[in-house]
This record gives sequence, structure tokens and C-alpha cells, in this order.
Amino acid sequence: AQSVTQLDSQVPVFEEAPVELRCNYSSSVSVYLFWYVQYPNQGLQLLLKYLSGSTLVKSINGFEAEFNKSQTSFHLRKPSVHISDTAEYFCALTNAGGTSYGKLTFGQGTILTVHP
Amino acid sequence: DAGVTQSPTHLIKTRGQHVTLRCSPISGHKSVSWYQQVLGQGPQFIFQYYEKEERGRGNFPDRFSARQFPNYSSELNVNALLLGDSALYLCASSLNTGGTEAFFGQGTRLTVV
Repeated sequence: AQSVTQLDSQVPVFEEAPVELRCNYSSSVSVYLFWYVQYPNQGLQLLLKYLSGSTLVKSINGFEAEFNKSQTSFHLRKPSVHISDTAEYFCALTNAGGTSYGKLTFGQGTILTVHP
Repeated sequence: DAGVTQSPTHLIKTRGQHVTLRCSPISGHKSVSWYQQVLGQGPQFIFQYYEKEERGRGNFPDRFSARQFPNYSSELNVNALLLGDSALYLCASSLNTGGTEAFFGQGTRLTVV
């Protein structure tokens, strides 16, 4: 069985400080990894994804995540956060190659709160 | 271009009733998946449909069913509602079943009283 563990349920941080949201996964097959963001009362928006190739992936708004196969991790980082980054963040995986028809397995979520 | 649209946005039902939730995928997308997100938890996979056929089913009771129509829109049906069915129901559409990217709708907030 596959699983995703987000190690922190809540992360408070001050504006312009760096942040890391931790994600570990378990799978016996190769996976694609994703980070989604959810603002209050909204659906999920894809932040970034790792499919193959370079293990460091970046989003357009300054977030980055690094795929570490040996540690089965996909931590999300941002060097300087803004108030507008306050949201809930979900790490997710699916089987690589479409063998699970795109079924996503999600972690429990991390609430990032950025204080002024 | 319109994104994934879900209706209704909010719904209140009584225990024992049934409910139908609707989803229209992004134009050109042939795959639709349904997820249940209980408050404080991550989304849980319920169903996936591709080309009108069920391609995956999560660990949900038979009270949950779904279908996909020729225009690729989809319905999720839940019978004999329980209080525990109260959740945000999310629909996601994908171009195919490759799993490389899924686009989510805003969700339907179902409250069972």
C-alpha cells in the first residue's frame, strides 16, 4: 500500500522568513509526486510536480521541492514567505506511468500561517 | 477557458436521503476523478472514470456510485446518507489516465444533518 506522511500539521512563520513543509512517502513502485495548495473554501491548485529528470522542481511563485529517492521525501521550501502564502498545503503521489489511472494519494495536509 | 465546474456548491441533506453531485471537466479532458475531503484531512480517492468506464474505485461503501456521460461530465451519487458523509467532495479532470496532472474544481460542500 502507498502512503504519504506530512510531518507537520501546522507551521507558523513570520513574513519574509524561510519555510520548509516536510513530506515523506512510501511506495513499492515508482511514483510521481505533487504539492497542491488549498485556500479557504476553495479546491486544490497544483503548485509543482516531479515526474522525472531533475530532482529539484520549482513553481512560478518561488516555491521549490526536491525529490530524494533514498530518503523517500519531497519537502517543499520557500526562502521568503508572504502573507498571501497562508493556506493549507497537501503532498500527494500517484503511480508513475499511469498504472493507477492517476489515482492520487494525499497526505493529511500542513496549514501554513504567515504572520506579519 | 472554463476550469472544472461542480454543482451545487453547497448542499444540506437529512440522514437517509440520497444526493447527486455533478462535475463538468475541462474541455477536451476525458478522465474524471472524485475525492472526499473530510474536515481536517487530506482528500480520499473515491472513483475514477475514463471514456465512460470505471477505472478505479477507492475504499468506499456501495452507497457511493458514479457515472460518466458521453460528453465526459460526471455524477457522484450517495444513497442512505450518514452524518459521516458530511465533507467537501472534489472533482478532478485530466486529459488522460497518465497521472501527470489533475485539475480540481471548487468542490461541493455536503452537510448531512
